[in-house]
Amino acid sequence: ETGVTQSPTHLIKTRGQQVTLRCSSQSGHNTVSWYQQALGQGPQFIFQYYREEENGRGNFPPRFSGLQFPNYSSELNVNALELDDSALYLCASSRDRVGVGNTEAFFGQGTRLTVV
Amino acid sequence: AQSVAQPEDQVNVAEGNPLTVKCTYSVSGNPYLFWYVQYPNRGLQFLLKYITGDNLVKGSYGFEAEFNKSQTSFHLKKPSALVSDSALYFCAVSTNAGKSTFGDGTTLTVKP
Repeated sequence: ETGVTQSPTHLIKTRGQQVTLRCSSQSGHNTVSWYQQALGQGPQFIFQYYREEENGRGNFPPRFSGLQFPNYSSELNVNALELDDSALYLCASSRDRVGVGNTEAFFGQGTRLTVV
Repeated sequence: AQSVAQPEDQVNVAEGNPLTVKCTYSVSGNPYLFWYVQYPNRGLQFLLKYITGDNLVKGSYGFEAEFNKSQTSFHLKKPSALVSDSALYFCAVSTNAGKSTFGDGTTLTVKP
C-alpha cells in the first residue's frame, strides 16, 4: 500500500451535476497530482499542486478545478458533469514535483466516477 | 508537446522466458522516465525510474529498464517472467515543467 487514500471509491452522478473527489497524501509528501483514466487508456494528467498552488495543468477545461490544503490533502472538483467524464480518477502524491529531482509518484486506488 | 508510445497493446510470454515491454518517448529537454504497474482494481505502483546516470536501471520485483537516448526508448525487461507479473504496465515521461505523460499501457500475460 502506498499510503495515499481516495474517497469515495465509487460514485454515480447525473449529467450537469457537480462532484468533489478527495485525496489524502502520503505522509511527508508536499505535491499531489490528479489523473483521469478512461477505460482502456493510460492516465491523463489533469493538474499538479505543489505547496497549495497549481503547478502544471494538462488539457482539461476550467470546469476541472482543484485545491490542496495545508496538510497537503487535496480535492478535485468537476462542474457541469458530462457523460465523457466517466472514468477512474487517480490521485498521486510525491515528495516533490514529479520531474524535479529524484521523484516518483505514489498512487491511490482511485475513484470510479460514472456519469449517467 | 511530450508524448509516450507503447507500441504493443498485449505481450504474451511463457513463464521462465525473458520479457520486454517497449516504450518510446518524445520530449523537449532531459527526460525523466518511469515504469508503473497496475493490477486489476488497484492504483498504479511504481516500478523504476531513470533520472540520469547509468542507462540500465534496476527496479522492483526483478524488473529493469534500458534507457537509449539515440532511439528515445526506455524498454522494460525481466530475465525470467513469473505468472504473477501478469498485469498492465505503463511507461511515463516527465520534465521539470511538472507535467507527466503516460502511455496507453501494455497488458502483459505470462502463461504457465
